[in-house]
Amino acid sequence: GDSVTQMEGPVTLSEEAFLTINCTYTATGYPSLFWYVQYPGEGLQLLLKATKADDKGSNKGFEATYRKETTSFHLEKGSVQVSDSAVYFCALLSGGYQKVTFGTGTKLQVIP
Amino acid sequence: DAGVIQSPRHEVTEMGQEVTLRCKPISGHNSLFWYRQTMMRGLELLIYFNNNVPIDDSGMPEDRFSAKMPNASFSTLKIQPSEPRDSAVYFCASSLKSSGANVLTFGAGSRLTVL
Repeated sequence: GDSVTQMEGPVTLSEEAFLTINCTYTATGYPSLFWYVQYPGEGLQLLLKATKADDKGSNKGFEATYRKETTSFHLEKGSVQVSDSAVYFCALLSGGYQKVTFGTGTKLQVIP
Repeated sequence: DAGVIQSPRHEVTEMGQEVTLRCKPISGHNSLFWYRQTMMRGLELLIYFNNNVPIDDSGMPEDRFSAKMPNASFSTLKIQPSEPRDSAVYFCASSLKSSGANVLTFGAGSRLTVL
C-alpha cells in the first residue's frame, strides 16, 4: 500500500538557519504530493503541493521538489523564523478516490 | 466561507458514555474525512465519504465507532461506549474531488478525553 516516511523529530534550529525535512514515499502510479503544517491547537493546513515529477511547490519561503527517481519530496527553507515552529506533515494522494496518506509528522522548533 | 466547522472543541466524558462529534464541511465540497490524532499513533484516517456515501471505513478501530453523513452539509462520528484509549483529537476534513490535486481543508479538531 501507499506510505510516507518522514525524518524523526523534533528538529531544533536557531532563527535564520537552513531547514531540510526529509520525506520519501511509496505509491503505485503517479501520486500528488503535499506538505501540510499544523500550528499548536489547530488543524492541519496546506503549505504546498506538487502534482507531477519535477514540479516544485513553494509557499511562504518553503519549497519542495517532486523527485520521482528518488521518490522524495523534501521540504526546505533558506532562513527559518520563530513563527515557523510547528509540526510538518508530508502526504500523498493517489488512486481514483481522494485517500490521502500522511507521514508521522516532524516537529520543528525554532529558537531566537 | 467559515471553513470546516467541528463541534464540540473539547469533550470530557466518563468511560462507557456515548460521544458524538459533529462536522460541517465547506459548502460545495463533495468528500469528507474523519481523522484521529494521538501522540502514539500520529494521524490516522478513520473513514471517508464521497457524495455522502462511505467509501472506505477500514480505519475505524472497532464496532464501537460509527460515522454517518445524512446530507452534504453534516457528518457525525459516534463512539459508543467510549473507553479511555479513545482519548485523542478528532479532525474532520473536506475537499472537492476534481481532476486536479485535491486539497484537504481541516477543521480545528475535537479534543476528546475519556476518563
